[in-house]
Amino acid sequence: EAGVTQFPSHSVIEKGQTVTLRCDPISGHDNLYWYRRVMGKEIKFLLHFVKESKQDESGMPNNRFLAERTGGTYSTLKVQPAELEDSGVYFCASSQPGQGVNNEQFFGPGTRLTVL
Amino acid sequence: RKEVEQDPGPFNVPEGATVAFNCTYSNSASQSFFWYRQDCRKEPKLLMSVYSSGNEDGRFTAQLNRASQYISLLIRDSKLSDSATYLCVVRRGGNKLTFGTGTQLKVEL
Repeated sequence: EAGVTQFPSHSVIEKGQTVTLRCDPISGHDNLYWYRRVMGKEIKFLLHFVKESKQDESGMPNNRFLAERTGGTYSTLKVQPAELEDSGVYFCASSQPGQGVNNEQFFGPGTRLTVL
Repeated sequence: RKEVEQDPGPFNVPEGATVAFNCTYSNSASQSFFWYRQDCRKEPKLLMSVYSSGNEDGRFTAQLNRASQYISLLIRDSKLSDSATYLCVVRRGGNKLTFGTGTQLKVEL
C-alpha cells in the first residue's frame, strides 16, 4: 500500500513569491494533517482536515497560509507571499477515520521549503 | 515553557549499551502519549504508544507517570541502526499531536 506522498520534495523560492505544496494521503484516510518544522524547533501542528472540512486550524501562522482539500482527497497548502521565516520542512500526515489512541498518524516525507 | 520538553542530546553510546530518554509534558489534560523515531532528513515514524501500565516492544520499553507528567523510553542492547532522533509526542484531545524537539541518539562501534 502506498504511503503518504508529498510534492515537491524541495522548493527554493524568493521572498514574496507564492508556493503550493501538495499532499496525497493514504487511500481511505479521512483525516489529513499539516505540520511544520522550522530549523532548530520542534515539529508544530498547522491544521487538520476531516474529509474536505477543516476540523482544527489553530496552528496556521497567519493569513498568508491557505490550505484546501477539495473533494476530500489530496490537499494543498499555499503560502502567498512567502517570507523568510516560512522556511522549514512541511510534513503532511494522514490517519484512518475517527479518533483514539490507536489512530496512528502516518507521515509523508515532507517538503523542504527554502525562502531566500 | 514548551509543552513537551526533552533533552536534545546527543547521546553517544557504544553498541550493546542500555540508554534511557526522558520527557516531561506540561498539560495535565494530555490523553495519549507516543514515541516517534525520525531518521536524518526523513519523516517521523511511530515507534510505540505509551500506556500508564508501561509497555514493552522487543528491546524498547516505554513508561508513563501521569502524576509526574513524565514519559520515558529505555532501549536495551542498542544497535547501530537505533541511531536516530527520538521524538516524545503527546495528544491532548482531538487528533492534534504536540511534539518535543527530539533527543538525538548515536550508537557507535
